Amino acid sequence: DTAVSQTPKYLVTQMGNDKSIKCEQNLGHDTMYWYKQDSKKFLKIMFSYNNKELIINETVPNRFSPKSPDKAHLNLHINSLELGDSAVYFCASSQTGTGGHSPLHFGNGTRLTVT
Amino acid sequence: SQELEQSPQSLIVQEGKNLTINCTSSKTLYGLYWYKQKYGEGLIFLMMLQKGGEEKSHEKITAKLDEKKQQSSLHITASQPSHAGIYLCGADKPGTYKYIFGTGTRLKVLA
Repeated sequence: DTAVSQTPKYLVTQMGNDKSIKCEQNLGHDTMYWYKQDSKKFLKIMFSYNNKELIINETVPNRFSPKSPDKAHLNLHINSLELGDSAVYFCASSQTGTGGHSPLHFGNGTRLTVT
Repeated sequence: SQELEQSPQSLIVQEGKNLTINCTSSKTLYGLYWYKQKYGEGLIFLMMLQKGGEEKSHEKITAKLDEKKQQSSLHITASQPSHAGIYLCGADKPGTYKYIFGTGTRLKVLA
């Protein structure tokens, strides 16, 4: 069973379009994340949700809107796509604890290409 | 804000050689993670280090966290083509939900 799954794996679209990426985790984790990986492979956090509540929003343009219908799902909707949005987007999850550390579990990524 | 710098940026080694990747933090590390990424795939968790001086091994990969908890190293012994990929260190801080990642090291192992 895939622990963190995101769809689609590839997304090619034109500038100005609106698209969504879906993410689901079956690990029972309470925190989910969206990361963006640029062409230099640098991973940057975009959003984090804990128990369906937004807790991190890293100065991402408001064209990006995450939605967490429940703890196991975190979707990413992007409006008015721009060329600079082309990247690989990773969903991840972890379990928070009081003072404990939990590694992130990643999905396989969605490669978004905006033409 | 905390930053993680990795060195080298890329590495090409002959199969069978040993190698080391370093991760240096601008602030004290509370939890340090090593991940590996293969092309077209997500990140795979390798190891987690918490205590100063801690060392962990998995198969031919050993990771250490220095006593001051501001630097970690990942050592691969007798490298194989299957070790090729991008290695990333990551860090978090207790009580926060924020993980940051290093700049990555791209490893190529020649058969």
